[in-house]
Amino acid sequence: EVQLVESGGDLVQPGRSLRLSCAASGFAFDNSAMHWVRQAPGKGLEWVSGISWSSGDIIYADSVKGRFTISRDNAKNFLYLQMDSLRPDDTALYYCARRTDGYVFDYWGQGTLVTVTS
Amino acid sequence: EIVLTQSPGTLSLSPGDRATLSCRASQNIRNNFLAWYQQKPGQAPRLLIYGASTRAAGIPARFSGSGSGTDFTLTISGLEPDDFAVYYCQHYGGSPPYSFGQGSNLEI
Repeated sequence: EVQLVESGGDLVQPGRSLRLSCAASGFAFDNSAMHWVRQAPGKGLEWVSGISWSSGDIIYADSVKGRFTISRDNAKNFLYLQMDSLRPDDTALYYCARRTDGYVFDYWGQGTLVTVTS
Repeated sequence: EIVLTQSPGTLSLSPGDRATLSCRASQNIRNNFLAWYQQKPGQAPRLLIYGASTRAAGIPARFSGSGSGTDFTLTISGLEPDDFAVYYCQHYGGSPPYSFGQGSNLEI
C-alpha cells in the first residue's frame, strides 16, 4: 500500500524557517518524481515545488523561489521542503505527492499544516 | 503563463443527475496534459482523470473526461451522494510547469 506521511508543520513567526518531511513507503520512491502542493485555508490547490528521482531536476513556483528548497533522501525514502523567510501568505496545508510519468499526481499524503503569524 | 479557469464555481444538483464541469485554459495545452481531481472536506485530492480522458485506477466509469486544446470537460453521469465534492483541473507545461484551476464545488 502506498503511503505518504508528512510532518514538520507548525505555527511560526514571519521570517522564521521550517523543514517539512514526507515519509514514503509502498512504492519505488527512488524511481519517482516527488512534489509539494499546498492549500491555504478554504482555498484551492497551489503547486509549490518538484524534484526528479535523481535530484537532478528541481523546479519551484515563483512564489517560493529563493526561499524554499526541496530535497530528498532515496536511501531513507524521505522528501523534504526547507522553508526559509516564511511569510503569512505561506500559511497552508502542505501535501507531498508522487508525480507520474504523465505529469499528474497520483498519490498524496494527508498534509501538514504550516501557520505563519506574528 | 497558462491560467486554468473552471466553471461553474458552484453547481447544485441531485443524486442521479448528470454533472458537467468545465476547465478552460488561457493557452493551448499540449499533449492533452490535463487532469482532474476530486477533493472532499478534510481529505487529500484524489486523481480521477489524466491525459484529459483516461480514468485513473479504481475510478468508476460514471466519471469521464473530454476535450482538447483549451477546453476540457469532466462529466459525472448518475451522481451518487459520495460524488459531492470540489473538483480541480490541473495542467502540465509552460510556466509555471504545473497549475490548478480554482475549483468547482459540486453540492447537493
